[in-house]
Amino acid sequence: GAGVSQTPSNKVTEKGKYVELRCDPISGHTALYWYRQSLGQGPEFLIYFQGTGAADDSGLPNDRFFAVRPEGSVSTLKIQRTERGDSAVYLCASSRGGEQFFGPGTRLTVL
Amino acid sequence: AQSVTQLGSHVSVSEGALVLLRCNYSSSVPPYLFWYVQYPNQGLQLLLKYTSAATLVKGINGFEAEFKKSETSFHLTKPSAHMSDAAEYFCAVSITGQGAQKLVFGQGTRLTINP
Repeated sequence: GAGVSQTPSNKVTEKGKYVELRCDPISGHTALYWYRQSLGQGPEFLIYFQGTGAADDSGLPNDRFFAVRPEGSVSTLKIQRTERGDSAVYLCASSRGGEQFFGPGTRLTVL
Repeated sequence: AQSVTQLGSHVSVSEGALVLLRCNYSSSVPPYLFWYVQYPNQGLQLLLKYTSAATLVKGINGFEAEFKKSETSFHLTKPSAHMSDAAEYFCAVSITGQGAQKLVFGQGTRLTINP
């Protein structure tokens, strides 16, 4: 693939449910970032992976949020016990250490 | 802590007119600064970046930005607006640490082009 892909593009869930959001980075990109963009706001950093390890998870809002990247490529952002305030567009970006290339995002709606 | 402020959540200009989108930054160290554009249902695309080389930075699609340390500004300009420039624009500053280059974004400016 030419760019970063994210699935699903849209996810509607009910309060209290568990969701997983997937990011496929550009092949060969070792760095992977997750950001969250709430309505009318700029993206906010959540977590950064270098290879398989989460090097910086300081942006995760609480322990309901977790992300993995087990093989150093695809990453999954996991949200437990979703709340209405989790509704946002979740963006993934990858890089080789320089420019970050962003995916189209997953729009999460919690009813 | 590094931060950016974008003045004006909405800017509207006529086709062919000058585009000026304002960004002011706060940083305790020499900053890396970026402008990104976001079209509907698409990911963020890098327009240009400042990394302490030339203060006037030229980007894609005819956009440019000037880094002014005395004013802590990094305003984005384009001499003549096209209809295709209608989008959301984000200014960002990079925070480097733990190997990451985390981006801190402004709130965005929605640019509308009037025919």
